[in-house]
Amino acid sequence: NAGVTQTPKFQVLKTGQSMTLQCAQDMNHNSMYWYRQDPGMGLRLIYYSASEGTTDKGEVPNGYNVSRLNKREFSLRLESAAPSQTSVYFCASSEEARTSGRSYNEQFFGPGTRLTVL
Amino acid sequence: QKEVEQNSGPLSVPEGAIASLNCTYSDRGSQSFFWYRQYSGKSPELIMFIYSNGDKEDGRFTAQLNKASQYVSLLIRDSQPSDSATYLCAVSDGWYRDDKIIFGKGTRLHILP
Repeated sequence: NAGVTQTPKFQVLKTGQSMTLQCAQDMNHNSMYWYRQDPGMGLRLIYYSASEGTTDKGEVPNGYNVSRLNKREFSLRLESAAPSQTSVYFCASSEEARTSGRSYNEQFFGPGTRLTVL
Repeated sequence: QKEVEQNSGPLSVPEGAIASLNCTYSDRGSQSFFWYRQYSGKSPELIMFIYSNGDKEDGRFTAQLNKASQYVSLLIRDSQPSDSATYLCAVSDGWYRDDKIIFGKGTRLHILP
């Protein structure tokens, strides 16, 4: 059981290049997310997918597109990379957990992709 | 714009002491509150969830929630060097499985041996 996996781990792009970040989970979770994390900025949601076939914008979607290929896979595409997209990108999936009769969204994160755009 | 505020730190605490991490949130309708731990260069992992006013204890960790003051805290008793990490406070306005979570910027904690 690998959990959430992401490829690649590191990537350097030139301004204007495109690339796709891959994410897969083997926990049979319905919901998946893409976040970016910048120094001093915390985690910011880019896009999420509540189920196979659906995607929605998060807090910072500009410059990105996503594809929920199937229940396991959720990819993030940068069509024309910009230096402002230099960041660490985390994919996450979630399940509905319960405690004391109350449900909540428990998210599991992948190891991250460190992207540098020159 | 919903916000979650944390002191960025670093917060330095001697080994064996109590570390106290604080968080405030702007949305009075928030229902679910989380603490994530993130080691340097690693991904966040959930360590505590709380939804009702008061304290919730799990081992050396205690989460405290005060909805009237819009305040969440995390206490770490008998702090260990392995507790050195960034702690992210996170809040959501519901408890559904597809609910979005807003993260704070995190507090760096350094446990002094």
